[in-house]
Amino acid sequence: GESVGLHLPTLSVQEGDNSIINCAYSNSASDYFIWYKQESGKGPQFIIDIRSNMDKRQGQRVTVLLNKTVKHLSLQIAATQPGDSAVYFCAENPPRRALTFGSGTRLQVQP
Amino acid sequence: GAVVSQHPSRVICKSGTSVKIECRSLDFQATTMFWYRQFPKQSLMLMATSNEGSKATYEQGVEKDKFLINHASLTLSTLTVTSAHPEDSSFYICSARIGSEGEQYFGPGTRLTVT
Repeated sequence: GESVGLHLPTLSVQEGDNSIINCAYSNSASDYFIWYKQESGKGPQFIIDIRSNMDKRQGQRVTVLLNKTVKHLSLQIAATQPGDSAVYFCAENPPRRALTFGSGTRLQVQP
Repeated sequence: GAVVSQHPSRVICKSGTSVKIECRSLDFQATTMFWYRQFPKQSLMLMATSNEGSKATYEQGVEKDKFLINHASLTLSTLTVTSAHPEDSSFYICSARIGSEGEQYFGPGTRLTVT
């Protein structure tokens, strides 16, 4: 289930289940979006990106969905594995500006 | 390709001293570099954007005299935290971009602890 902690909401799933992590972005001018995975003590690791002219993009075991009408992004991870446990951030990129990160979701995969 | 390194990975300094963090793009030239700060259990917050050869642009609320940024070459940017205080303890992460748009490549971060 999903719970809200002091700072980061946490999503707990069973190994093998599919995970869906959601994100709301703020700038309607953003035209490029990226999902990052961050493990403890490390920098963000690129997972998948999508441009605003698309509403879905698939990678290996991951899918990103973009709904520009409601400014919403989601990351779907298929067959979640213990190695997927980390904090996941969405980031939006307005043209010619720096990436702005969302608040993040901690994914805990139970074996 | 597109590797960004940071040095040091961890640093402990005493209150009142200054500490310099380096960010290098190892296999590409970075027109623009960015510095982010991340407190425990929080997201990455942009501190400043620097373009090679020009002054950095700081985000609102970030003191430019305290966080000195130098981007002297296309492969190196430095962040100097001056007169550090315990509240400056944080995880500092740089990223680099090849042009004016496109993917940002992130470094592994530097953990600063001010005692």
